Order: sequence, then structure tokens, then C-alpha cells
Amino acid sequence: EIVLTQSPGTLSLSPGERVTLSCRASESISNNYLAWYQQRPGLPPRLLIYDASHRAPGVPDRFGASGSGTVFTLTISRLAPDDFAFYFCQQYSGSPRTFGQGTTLESK
Amino acid sequence: ELQLLQSGGGLVPPGGSLTLSCAASGFNFTKQAMSWLRQAPGRGLEWVSAISGSGSRVDFTYYEQSVRGRFLTSRDNSKNTLYLQMNSLRAEDTAIYYCAKGRSFLDVWGRGTTVIVSA
Repeated sequence: EIVLTQSPGTLSLSPGERVTLSCRASESISNNYLAWYQQRPGLPPRLLIYDASHRAPGVPDRFGASGSGTVFTLTISRLAPDDFAFYFCQQYSGSPRTFGQGTTLESK
Repeated sequence: ELQLLQSGGGLVPPGGSLTLSCAASGFNFTKQAMSWLRQAPGRGLEWVSAISGSGSRVDFTYYEQSVRGRFLTSRDNSKNTLYLQMNSLRAEDTAIYYCAKGRSFLDVWGRGTTVIVSA
């Protein structure tokens, strides 16, 4: 199965800052079949990005993503208070679908 | 509004059974593949099961290896409802279980239901 490794595990940042999260795959992900999700405490995950770079409906344009092959990134251009949450990537190139262990964005 | 309403979690002893339900609204449930996932404390998200929608070129039902033979995913398209029947439950099945729309990226999620397997 494809293993996704996210880094860093936790980031402490301030509102307004720019942040880039990383997701590396153990093998190449075909067709850029990679998604990013946000999860706030006590809530289900929310789809942010699909196909590596396409924002889901309703996702603010301060969220951007890119990548191909084995290296993918999610960038938040200016952190808003609501953005302090848990983020994880997921691949749907292979079976089983697998998830990264996630990155927590915490407010400094 | 696209919505998945979950029910059926709870506390069950090891070896017991439980059935989770996921009622869909706001989209064409019949044609849509659906998934079950779980999230256990200290563990990442795990894709438990998926089932194809009607009209899919290939009918499929997927099960994660550790639940194969114990869990059964089904759907009642007349009720727009997805089910996860869980048998022979183990402590390691303790988790929040989510249903979600899709089997590639997952764009609608239920709020989750907690399953605790403990004596």
C-alpha cells in the first residue's frame, strides 16, 4: 500500500502567516489522485483539495495546493483564526486508499 | 443540502455485534459509491469499507484486511441509507466511524459515531 508521510507533525504559527504543509508518498501517485482535508476538534474531516490542486466548492482561495509524483504541498497564504486545525492528505491512486498521519496547526 | 446522518454507535463487549447506519440526503444516493472510515485515538484515519453505486461499470465492495469476514457493508437505495454491520468486534475496532460520499476523494462526511468495544 502507498504510505503517506506528512511533515511537520505540529506547527505553531500566528494569524496572517503563510504556511506550507508537506505530504510525501512512498511511491508515485498516478493522475495526481491526492486530496487534502481539514479537521477541527470534534468535527468530521472537510475536503479542501482534490486531484492535488483543485479546491473543493466553498474553500477559500487562500488555500492552494500543488505537487505530482511523490511530493505534494498544501499552502495557506494568510492564516485565519479558523485555519488552526488538523490537516491530512489522502491518496486514491491505489487500493487501499491511505491517509497521512496529519499535521496540526496550532496558534502561537 | 448534502448531508449524511449517522446513527448506531455505542458500547459493545468483545465478540459482540453492532450495526451503523448512514442516511443520505441532497444527492443521488443510488448512483453514488459510499465509504466507511474510522479514526481511533492515536491512530490515523483508516478506510474500512466501500461499496459501489448502481450503474457502476463494476460492482464492488471493499473491506480493509482486518475487518474482512467480520464486517458487512450494504445499502438500501430505497431508503437512501448505507449500513455497516460489524460482528466479532475486537478492542482494536474502537474508534469513531464515519460514512462518506465517494470512494476516491470524499467530499461529504457524516458527523461520526463512536464505537467502543470493551467488557
